[in-house]
Amino acid sequence: DVKVTQSSRYLVKRTGEKVFLECVQDMDHENMFWYRQDPGLGLRLIYFSYDVKMKEKGDIPEGYSVSREKKERFSLILESASTNQTSMYLCASRAGGARYEQYFGPGTRLTVT
Amino acid sequence: GESVGLHLPTLSVQEGDNSIINCAYSNSASDYFIWYKQESGKGPQFIIDIRSNMDKRQGQRVTVLLNKTVKHLSLQIAATQPGDSAVYFCAEETNSNSGYALNFGKGTSLLVTP
Repeated sequence: DVKVTQSSRYLVKRTGEKVFLECVQDMDHENMFWYRQDPGLGLRLIYFSYDVKMKEKGDIPEGYSVSREKKERFSLILESASTNQTSMYLCASRAGGARYEQYFGPGTRLTVT
Repeated sequence: GESVGLHLPTLSVQEGDNSIINCAYSNSASDYFIWYKQESGKGPQFIIDIRSNMDKRQGQRVTVLLNKTVKHLSLQIAATQPGDSAVYFCAEETNSNSGYALNFGKGTSLLVTP
């Protein structure tokens, strides 16, 4: 079974802190994604990566950065957390090419106070 | 301006009835579609997919119908059970400059009542 794991289920941080969210997948997938999910807004793509050290901005990259040093690991970084970044963060991975399903992790509920 | 705090469309069905959840997609060039189920506090889980060369695909208790003419996708759940209560998302695959990305709908909340 494909497994996508995220480092924390719940996280509480203060405004201005640097926050790291880690995601690991065990299926050798080329593509990895970070989304945030907010009530009524669905899943919005923050960043994705289609290879090691490669990254592409999604729909809402402002205030975030990412790192992919190894194929199995994709990190989301909030350089200076703000209260409007309180959200559910979902990581996903997917095999390369077209028409493959995307597998999601369990999510990290981040609260910024 | 953008609205915030929109409520999800909600479908309420009785246990044992059939459910139909609808989704309109935007890109006529999309050629792959997926339905996901998300239970409270969990990440989305794959239910069923369909390629654009098909108009119907069946799984266990679920059927996906694709109408490319009107860019419409539906998920039918037979004999709905309380465990089917969740938010359901459709997703379409689009070929972006850097590969294949999924574009997700905002979701429909399914509530199954006894």
